Amino acid sequence: QVQLQESGPGLVKPSQTLSVSCSVSGGSIRRGGYYWGWIRQQPGKALEWIGCIHHSGRTYYNPSLKSRLIISVDTSKNEFSLRLSSVTAADTAVYYCARIRGLYSIWFEHWGQGTLVTVSS
Amino acid sequence: DIQMTQSPSSLSASVGDRVTITCQASQDIKYLNWYQQKRRKAPKLLIYDASNLEAGVPSRFSGSGSGTEFTLTISSLQPEDIATYYCQQYGDLPQVAFGGGTNIEIK
Repeated sequence: QVQLQESGPGLVKPSQTLSVSCSVSGGSIRRGGYYWGWIRQQPGKALEWIGCIHHSGRTYYNPSLKSRLIISVDTSKNEFSLRLSSVTAADTAVYYCARIRGLYSIWFEHWGQGTLVTVSS
Repeated sequence: DIQMTQSPSSLSASVGDRVTITCQASQDIKYLNWYQQKRRKAPKLLIYDASNLEAGVPSRFSGSGSGTEFTLTISSLQPEDIATYYCQQYGDLPQVAFGGGTNIEIK
């Protein structure tokens, strides 16, 4: 059974860059046609899709975040990461990583437990 | 952008009740999924592509719909079903969007 585990800084200052990683265990990130995605949830709010990546490096981003966002993959470490620049308090959220069934089957079938990132000075 | 509207935003029902949640899209969509999120936990996939039950999910959960209107039904509400439920639509990437959520409580 695949498992995902996020790791993040906990606290980031406004205008800085937020970086969160997702370690995948129980299976290779290179296996099959899976995509690997990021979703966030601001306190008390609904889920928001951030973007996703294939092990080949192909990425897709939420247009509302695209200008500040980079998602990358490190197959040697079996992990993928997100970097969100120029953060504000509105980027305070629990950040989840998840496995997506496939390019044409976009449901999030396995999730990490989430990591809270707070943007504050 | 496609907007997803869930209704109701919250509901209170008794154990054993039949509960239905609706997700309405701002335009026709092809694909819709449903998730359950318990307090302080990650979401869990319940239904994919409108009506397919994810492995291990109890059969009291079912999904239906097409076009712009979709429903999630719990045939007999159980205490462990207390959670917030989200719909999620997708098309060709990057077209992915979640609904606003429906919070279910037990009377």
